[in-house]
Amino acid sequence: AQKVTQAQTEISVVEKEDVTLDCVYETRDTTYYLFWYKQPPSGELVFLIRRNSFDEQNEISGRYSWNFQKSTSSFNFTITASQVVDSAVYFCALSEASDSGYALNFGKGTSLLVTP
Amino acid sequence: SQTIHQWPATLVQPVGSPLSLECTVEGTSNPNLYWYRQAAGRGLQLLFYSVGIGQISSEVPQNLSASRPQDRQFILSSKKLLLSDSGFYLCAWSVRGRDTQYFGPGTRLTVL
Repeated sequence: AQKVTQAQTEISVVEKEDVTLDCVYETRDTTYYLFWYKQPPSGELVFLIRRNSFDEQNEISGRYSWNFQKSTSSFNFTITASQVVDSAVYFCALSEASDSGYALNFGKGTSLLVTP
Repeated sequence: SQTIHQWPATLVQPVGSPLSLECTVEGTSNPNLYWYRQAAGRGLQLLFYSVGIGQISSEVPQNLSASRPQDRQFILSSKKLLLSDSGFYLCAWSVRGRDTQYFGPGTRLTVL
């Protein structure tokens, strides 16, 4: 069975600090997909990134970066120079191909608060 | 471009009343469609998914049902709501055969 653990329930940082959100996953499959979503106070989940299990290359997109390490089953998310607009709940998710067409298994989320 | 709509945005219903939440997708054909529920505590749980018209699969037994009467329309229903049905309901779509899901704005349901 798949499992995603986001051990950090809440994180509070001051603007311009760097912050890393941790995600650890469990799966028996060799082919799987990892995601990060952002949920601002409005509630809608916003897709941030997708990684497949064969692509361990880290990615940077502006102030966002992701570190995928299969050896530790982790897919961590770092925000550099955080801003107030980054305040949201962030979800890590895992999926594998199945009859459910890639159903997502979510972690419980990390609530990030960035204060001025 | 593709867009996904959900309505209503918020809903307050008495226990025992019926429910109908609607989700529609524009700008794509033959999508996979999903219903998730986010209860207090933030966890998201997959309720139903559909790979085509009239094809519905349920992930967990519950008081809810889903239907897909048209290719880009997904409906979540209940004949009699329970207090435990309260939550934030999110609809999502993905390209057939692809894994990335895109979510709608959600419906916040309160059952009193």
